[in-house]
Amino acid sequence: GQNIDQPTEMTATEGAIVQINCTYQTSGFNGLFWYQQHAGEAPTFLSYNVLDGLEEKGRFSSFLSRSKGYSYLLLKELQMKDSASYLCAVKDSNYQLIWGAGTKLIIKP
Amino acid sequence: EADIYQTPRYLVIGTGKKITLECSQTMGHDKMYWYQQDPGMELHLIHYSYGVNSTEKGDLSSESTVSRIRTEHFPLTLESARPSHTSQYLCASSDFSDSQGGGQYFGPGTRLTVT
Repeated sequence: GQNIDQPTEMTATEGAIVQINCTYQTSGFNGLFWYQQHAGEAPTFLSYNVLDGLEEKGRFSSFLSRSKGYSYLLLKELQMKDSASYLCAVKDSNYQLIWGAGTKLIIKP
Repeated sequence: EADIYQTPRYLVIGTGKKITLECSQTMGHDKMYWYQQDPGMELHLIHYSYGVNSTEKGDLSSESTVSRIRTEHFPLTLESARPSHTSQYLCASSDFSDSQGGGQYFGPGTRLTVT
């Protein structure tokens, strides 16, 4: 079966750095996505990785290792508005998105 | 401005009623999707479409139907609403050739309550 694992919840302090991990087992791989979802709102696109390595976009970076079936989302200089759920999703061999359950990130002052 | 729209945003309806949730996108995307999501829970794919006259069932069809007569329009219909259908319904679209790897763009959602 296809599976994506993320921690259920993480807590971090404002101004700090947090890394949210995602491991996946899917039938094929055509890219990995990270989305941010604030409570009661729709997910919004954060990043896309299809090749191994680090993609940096401002305070957010995403890393991919295809051989390990592993990705992480790194958030720097955390702000209170970063409190949200972070969803990892993998596009499989049929180009369907397989979604993780999401990691709820709580930022404390 | 290219966007994806959903109406209504909120709906409270009685058991047994037939309802249609509307979704339209102005991005010219071929693929469209419907998801169901309970608060704090994961997304469940209900239906998707590759283009006009294409509809497929997802993991959770939830006794609903969809149609895709026009590229921009992908309505979801519940023939007989039940309290178990109470949830948030999210519509999304994607384009394989998108520079963001064909990631999905989401509408604002419809929060449905069936009493």
